[in-house]
Amino acid sequence: RKEVEQDPGPFNVPEGATVAFNCTYSNSASQSFFWYRQDCRKEPKLLMSVYSSGNEDGRFTAQLNRASQYISLLIRDSKLSDSATYLCVVNPPTDSWGKLQFGAGTQVVVTP
Amino acid sequence: DVKVTQSSRYLVKRTGEKVFLECVQDMDHENMFWYRQDPGLGLRLIYFSYDVKMKEKGDIPEGYSVSREKKERFSLILESASTNQTSMYLCASSQDSEKLFFGSGTQLSVL
Repeated sequence: RKEVEQDPGPFNVPEGATVAFNCTYSNSASQSFFWYRQDCRKEPKLLMSVYSSGNEDGRFTAQLNRASQYISLLIRDSKLSDSATYLCVVNPPTDSWGKLQFGAGTQVVVTP
Repeated sequence: DVKVTQSSRYLVKRTGEKVFLECVQDMDHENMFWYRQDPGLGLRLIYFSYDVKMKEKGDIPEGYSVSREKKERFSLILESASTNQTSMYLCASSQDSEKLFFGSGTQLSVL
């Protein structure tokens, strides 16, 4: 079983619509969580950090459910520029310092 | 802005060649990382370094070594390249272990 699992998509979203997708993780002792965004043929860039129950940044909302071991990302009022692959990243327990665990990514395609 | 620079965007090598991938960061970060990214697998950690001359194995260190002689530079070495090392290689730096700044990547093809 992978440590971090994501639906690869693609999620095809009309411009202006809302899209949400989840990421599940296997280690219940994981410390913190992140969403990175990766454009086609580009490097990943940090989108949001999630340390407690959730975080909101403009049109983006991340939620953490520790009981069910998943985090979600919701994008409201989708823009064409939101088309990208969203990587879920989990920081494991402290004895694995430095070894972030990456999901394979969820592809989002926003269409006009 | 943090800048992480990888020396080559595309590289083609032959099986058995020794390959050097260079990475330089300009933000005085303590920590530097090498990942490879393959379709459907996500990023996998090869090696990381938390200080000059210090290195730690990641999840897939076999077939690789690293060098960190200066704080700003972290090199990945493939001693004898093999076809299964064809991949996108991403270098990252960070002041902590969480918020990574990535270079633009090196697409390595081993023929």
